[in-house]
Amino acid sequence: EVQWVESGGGLVQPGGSLTVSCTASGFTFSNSWMTWVRQAPGKGPEFVANIKQDGSGKNYVDSVKGRFTVSRDNAKNSLYLQMHSLRVEDTAVYYCARDHVLGFQDFWGQGTLVTVSS
Amino acid sequence: EIVMTQSPGTLSVSPGERATLSCRASQSVDNDLAWYQHKPGQAPRLLIYGASTRATGIPARFSGSGSGTEFSLTINSLQSEDFAVYYCQQYNNWRTFGQGTKVEIK
Repeated sequence: EVQWVESGGGLVQPGGSLTVSCTASGFTFSNSWMTWVRQAPGKGPEFVANIKQDGSGKNYVDSVKGRFTVSRDNAKNSLYLQMHSLRVEDTAVYYCARDHVLGFQDFWGQGTLVTVSS
Repeated sequence: EIVMTQSPGTLSVSPGERATLSCRASQSVDNDLAWYQHKPGQAPRLLIYGASTRATGIPARFSGSGSGTEFSLTINSLQSEDFAVYYCQQYNNWRTFGQGTKVEIK
C-alpha cells in the first residue's frame, strides 16, 4: 500500500520562505518521477513542479520559476519543495504525487496547507 | 497552455442514478486524459487514464470516453461514496487540470 507523510506547511508572510516535504512508502521511490501539485482555495489543481528519478531533470510552472526548487533524497524516499519570495497567490494545499510513466499522477498524498498572509 | 473546461460546475444526483460529467480541451490532447475523484481532506484518487482505462481497483460503474477535445466521465448507479469533486487532467502537453465538477446528493 502506498503511503505518504507530508509536512512543512504553515503560515508565512509575503516574501518569506518555507519548505514542504513528503516521505513515501509502499513503492520503489527511486524508480519514479515525482510531482508537486497545488490547489488554491476555490480553484482547480495546478501542476507546480516535477523531478526525474535521479534528480537530473526538473520542470516548473512559469509562475514559480526562479522562486521554487524541487529536490529529492532517494535514500530517505523523500521529496522536497523549497519556496522563496512567497506571494499571497501561492496560498494553497500542496500535494506530492507519483508520476505514472505515461504522465498522469497515479498516487497522491493528502496535502499540506501553505498560507501566505501578513 | 491547454485550457481544460469542465461542465457543469455542480451536478445534483440522487443515489442510484447516473451522472455524466463533461470535460473539453482548448486543443486536441489525443486520448491523454485522466479523471480524478477528490473528497475533502483526502488525497485525490485516480479513476481513469487514457480517456477510458479504469485505474486499478476502480469499480466498473465508472467509465470514461472521448478523444481529441471532448471527453466525458459517466458514473452509473451512484453510490454514497461517489459524492465528491471530479477533475479532468490532460497530460499531452505539460499538464493542466479542469476546475472541477462537484457531484452532490439531490
